[in-house]
Formats: sequence, C-alpha cells, structure tokens
Amino acid sequence: GESVGLHLPTLSVQEGDNSIINCAYSNSASDYFIWYKQESGKGPQFIIDIRSNMDKRQGQRVTVLLNKTVKHLSLQIAATQPGDSAVYFCAGYSGTYKYIFGTGTRLKVLA
Amino acid sequence: SQTIHQWPATLVQPVGSPLSLECTVEGTSNPNLYWYRQAAGRGLQLLFYSVGIGQISSEVPQNLSASRPQDRQFILSSKKLLLSDSGFYLCAWGQSGSPLHFGNGTRLTVT
Repeated sequence: GESVGLHLPTLSVQEGDNSIINCAYSNSASDYFIWYKQESGKGPQFIIDIRSNMDKRQGQRVTVLLNKTVKHLSLQIAATQPGDSAVYFCAGYSGTYKYIFGTGTRLKVLA
Repeated sequence: SQTIHQWPATLVQPVGSPLSLECTVEGTSNPNLYWYRQAAGRGLQLLFYSVGIGQISSEVPQNLSASRPQDRQFILSSKKLLLSDSGFYLCAWGQSGSPLHFGNGTRLTVT
C-alpha cells in the first residue's frame, strides 16, 4: 500500500547547527507534500509545503527539497534552536482527500 | 481567521463505556474534516474523513464511528470502548490540496 515514511526515528543536533530530516514516499501519484511540527501534547503544526512541480521551497529558517526521481523529500532547518525540539512529520497528498503521514522523527537540540 | 476546537482535552473512560468527541471549525465553509488517531510515539492513522454534511468515509474497520451533523461539526463516537481505543485523537480540517489544520487533540485513556 502507499506509505510515507521517515528514515531516522531520532535526530540529535547541536544548537546552532543545521538539521536535515528525511522522508521517503511510495505513491507516485502524490503531488503535494507537507511538513508538520508536533510538540508534546499538542496537535501537528504546519511548517511548510511543496507541490510536485517544484523541487525546492524556502521559508523562514526552513527549506524543503523534493526529489521526485527517488521519491524523497527533506526538511532542512537552519541554525537549529532549542525551540525546534519536537517531532516532525511529513505528509503526502494524492488528490483523493487523504493525507498520508510518515511515522515521525524526533529532533533533539543539544545545548 | 479559521480556528478549530476539539474537546475534551483529556478523557479517562472505563472499558465498555460510550465515547463522544467533538470538533468544530470556525471561519471557513464546507471544509473537509478528518479524525486521526496517534498511538504513543507513533505516526498519525487516518480514521475517518468527510467532504460534506452527512458524508463519512471510514479508513479503518473498528468499533468507532463518525458523524457530521453540521457543516463545521465532526463527532467521533463509540458505543463500547476497548482498551485498544486508548490514544491521542486529532481532528483536522482542510481544503483539497492545501495543508490540514489540526486541533490540539484529545488524550483518551481507556481503563
């Protein structure tokens, strides 16, 4: 079945360094991808999205890269801060009302 | 601006008891509405989604049900809870091909 999964369950990064969180998807029909941040006890919060006609999109301190050839996307966080500590999810949408989420990566920022 | 409300925030229920979780959205019309469940330390599992009043699509066979009595109201129910129904329940709204926006969830513990 279709899936959107993450390569690493936990990522530890030194404060100030850049973070890269990866995600692979299996459904070639997925044409829209979203990254979410979830803090403990809260709902996922939208960070950034990208459509399949793009390969890169930048936001404030975040960049999403999409490689459709290998069905891979990544979230890059520049100058990681303690407030970035959370679980990050990718999600894919293929036009059937359904958003398929990956299993999540926990980002730990070390002081 | 659009807001989503989900309640209660936490709930402890005995096995065999009924369940009713409510979600309402403000500031938008005819949203797509979703119920997800998240087990501890895991990803988001799509339970139900609705694209209009009275329309419910079920993704996972289980003893839960959903209803959409009004355009911006989405209810998750069970007649008899099981231990395995424990989890973090998230309501979300969105428009097709745009980010989902999540509520802050309900932590359900079935004892």
